[in-house]
Amino acid sequence: QVQLQESGPGLVRPSETLSLTCTVSGASLDAGHDYWAWIRQHPAKGLELIGYTSHSGSGQSNPSLESRVTISVDTSQNQISLRLGPVTVADAAVYYCARQSVLKTMDVWGPGTTVSVSS
Amino acid sequence: DIQVTQSPSILPASVGDRVAITCRASESVSDWLAWFQQKPGKAPKLLIYKASTLETGVPSRFSGSGSGTQFTLTISSLQADDFATYFCHQHSNYPGTFGQGTKVEHK
Repeated sequence: QVQLQESGPGLVRPSETLSLTCTVSGASLDAGHDYWAWIRQHPAKGLELIGYTSHSGSGQSNPSLESRVTISVDTSQNQISLRLGPVTVADAAVYYCARQSVLKTMDVWGPGTTVSVSS
Repeated sequence: DIQVTQSPSILPASVGDRVAITCRASESVSDWLAWFQQKPGKAPKLLIYKASTLETGVPSRFSGSGSGTQFTLTISSLQADDFATYFCHQHSNYPGTFGQGTKVEHK
C-alpha cells in the first residue's frame, strides 16, 4: 500500500524559500511507474496543482508558479522535494504530495502539511 | 485555462437522500474528469476517474456521468459518512483545474 508523508517547516518568512519533502513508502521511485505531484490548497482559492515529476526528474510546473518552483527527486531516500521561493503571504496554504497518473490523476495523497508565511 | 464550475456550492441533505452535484467545464474536457471527497483536516480522496469509473474501494452508491462539458456526481442514498466537500477536477490539459467545491451538509 503506497503511503506519502509531507514534512517541512510550518512557518516561512516572506521573501524566503519554502522547502518541503514528501517521503514515499510502499513503492519505489526507482521503479519509474508513476509521477509524483505537489498540490496546495488555499482556504479562499481552492486546490491548485503546483507541479509534478517522474523518477528521473522530468516533469512540469504550473505556469503560474514556474519561475519560483523546483521539484526534485531523491531515489536513494525515496523522496520528492518542493522548493518555492521567494514566498509571499499568498503562498500560505496546506501543501500535499500525491501520486499522479494520466488515467487516474491523483489517486494517493499524503495527509498534507500547513505552511504559514509571516515575519 | 479551462474553468470548471460546480453547483450547488452548498447542498443540504438528509441520510437516505439521492444527491447530485454538477460540474460544468468552460470547454470540452472529453472524459478527463475526476471527483474527490474531502473531509475537514484530511486530504482529498479520489472517488471517480475518467468521468464514470469508480475508484477501487469506493462504495457503489457513488457514480459519475457525463462527457464534454457537463458532468454529474450522484450519491444514490446518502450515508452519514458522506457529509463532506466534493470537488471535480479536469485534467484534459495541463495543469488542470479544480472546481470550487460542494459542501454536503445536514439539512
